Amino acid sequence: NAGVTQTPKFQVLKTGQSMTLQCAQDMNHEYMSWYRQDPGMGLRLIHYSVGAGITDQGEVPNGYNVSRSTTEDFPLRLLSAAPSQTSVYFCASSYRGRPMRYEQYFGPGTRLTVT
Amino acid sequence: SQQGEEDPQALSIQEGENATMNCSYKTSINNLQWYRQNSGRGLVHLILIRSNEREKHSGRLRVTLDTSKKSSSLLITASRAADTASYFCATDPLGAGSYQLTFGKGTKLSVIP
Repeated sequence: NAGVTQTPKFQVLKTGQSMTLQCAQDMNHEYMSWYRQDPGMGLRLIHYSVGAGITDQGEVPNGYNVSRSTTEDFPLRLLSAAPSQTSVYFCASSYRGRPMRYEQYFGPGTRLTVT
Repeated sequence: SQQGEEDPQALSIQEGENATMNCSYKTSINNLQWYRQNSGRGLVHLILIRSNEREKHSGRLRVTLDTSKKSSSLLITASRAADTASYFCATDPLGAGSYQLTFGKGTKLSVIP
């Protein structure tokens, strides 16, 4: 199993550009989520999904969209990039929809810089 | 808002010593998890402790949970240079729908060979 994969590893955007961060898992996990990690801030939840077709907002959803059309994929879209979205983005998945009951598997991260 | 807060923010020890990190949280929880993050990598799950458990072991790791004090500790015994990483606690606040984890800001552990 590849586990949780994320692409790209690094990305530089100009303010106002849009892009999609890709996340895929091959473990047939129901639950998937996106976090951002900023220095001194820990991880903050952006959006999550408890299954295909079901998504919800986390702590910091503004400026981001998600969709879940398949169990495997959970892309994160930045609609109009802003310097405040410079961060490291992590995708995570777990077996079922109650993440605290199950080990979270994290991807390697995408380092995004917005100039 | 952050639910768990780790303490200390940074810890530096010699190889072979024990390392203790603490996590305090504000509201009642169902479970608590600890994760490790090596520099430039994703988080890796270490251990999950349920609210009705007081202590749990996994190899050189020992986790305790005191729900009356709303705190948990992670002890790494006989530390190795490879234990150098950031350590995070994650909580599942009751009433938050249990579909979200909240992570603390982490303890950065440096183990000096």
